[in-house]
Amino acid sequence: KQEVTQIPAALSVPEGENLVLNCSFTDSAIYNLQWFRQDPGKGLTSLLLIQSSQREQTSGRLNASLDKSSGRSTLYIAASQPGDSATYLCAVRPGNNDMRFGAGTRLTVKP
Amino acid sequence: SAVISQKPSRDICQRGTSLTIQCQVDSQVTMMFWYRQQPGQSLTLIATANQGSEATYESGFVIDKFPISRPNLTFSTLTVSNMSPEDSSIYLCSVNIQGGNTEAFFGQGTRLTVV
Repeated sequence: KQEVTQIPAALSVPEGENLVLNCSFTDSAIYNLQWFRQDPGKGLTSLLLIQSSQREQTSGRLNASLDKSSGRSTLYIAASQPGDSATYLCAVRPGNNDMRFGAGTRLTVKP
Repeated sequence: SAVISQKPSRDICQRGTSLTIQCQVDSQVTMMFWYRQQPGQSLTLIATANQGSEATYESGFVIDKFPISRPNLTFSTLTVSNMSPEDSSIYLCSVNIQGGNTEAFFGQGTRLTVV
């Protein structure tokens, strides 16, 4: 059974820092991996989607990498801002209509 | 991409009552997914709603407690029945958009508090 782990569970950094969020999964047989952002009490916003054949994806200050063989993905956020404060969720897709979520990393960026 | 409208965005309900959550998508999709997110937890899939057939429920979730309707390819409802405080959660609707790859999109969630 696919299990997804995110480390750290919470992270607090000063504004301007570069930071890395980690996601690991137990079964390397995945279709893709998706990173989401969730603001308190709200739904999920898709940030980046990495196909199983890809190594990384970039969008603005965000860069996500995927190492399928080792079961790891990282989300790199450059020059963090207070508006980046949110919970970041990693989800893997073991089958085409199935998703497994990590518990998330709660990020606080202090001004 | 997909734009998903979910309502209500939040509600406070009395125990023993029922709440129906609506999810509207701006394009036709084969399957719609309903998730629950309990306080401080990650997402758990409740059921998959297919148009024209009964929903498929995950282990631990039953139709009597969470009846689902899927009248057409752009709309679904989830009802939380006979609510108790343990049902207090965020409920989320999701769809997959399949282009070159399958990407998931979510509604803004319904924050339910049962008192």
